Amino acid sequence: SQQGEEDPQALSIQEGENATMNCSYKTSINNLQWYRQNSGRGLVHLILIRSNEREKHSGRLRVTLDTSKKSSSLLITASRAADTASYFCATDAYGNNRLAFGKGNQVVVIP
Amino acid sequence: EAQVTQNPRYLITVTGKKLTVTCSQNMNHEYMSWYRQDPGLGLRQIYYSMNVEVTDKGDVPEGYKVSRKEKRNFPLILESPSPNQTSLYFCASSLLPGGPERLQETQYFGPGTRLLVL
Repeated sequence: SQQGEEDPQALSIQEGENATMNCSYKTSINNLQWYRQNSGRGLVHLILIRSNEREKHSGRLRVTLDTSKKSSSLLITASRAADTASYFCATDAYGNNRLAFGKGNQVVVIP
Repeated sequence: EAQVTQNPRYLITVTGKKLTVTCSQNMNHEYMSWYRQDPGLGLRQIYYSMNVEVTDKGDVPEGYKVSRKEKRNFPLILESPSPNQTSLYFCASSLLPGGPERLQETQYFGPGTRLLVL
């Protein structure tokens, strides 16, 4: 199965700055999702973008999807210390909920 | 409160001793799934179930079994655990996608079960 790959793997920023993460995948998808995981806990769904969408917003989150480049980006604006977490992208190739996860991206927001 | 629960949360066992990790959801979700998370490998799907009595292999099913006798429960069974099954396990559930009025549903994850096999 395909797998998303996040880039950069680790990111450290000051509170108030923006954080951008990228995800690339290998095959065509039905949708792409971003999840957050706080230190060894369960994943929390952040946002889903479908293959026919190019950009989506949810609060301080902005996700873009470029299916021609097979890549997505997650932007967190005005970061807070509470945003410190690992962020995963996950692709659903067929719209059947079978997700292929990337390896994750560790974000540290320094107060 | 809508949630996915897993038990136990932490487990230390020895090679070969059968164990079961339970997963239960109270959202009437049809779809349930098990993942394992390992450093540097992200999450990998072990098994999934589209509904009662309907289960299928994910990407890394070897050494695991599941059952889906009731809609709310989806236990993960390790018949003969080995050290390479030491991992962090997550159960997840969601509604099934599809239907003209039903949008793709996101997955809700349990808190995780940390397993150490000696």
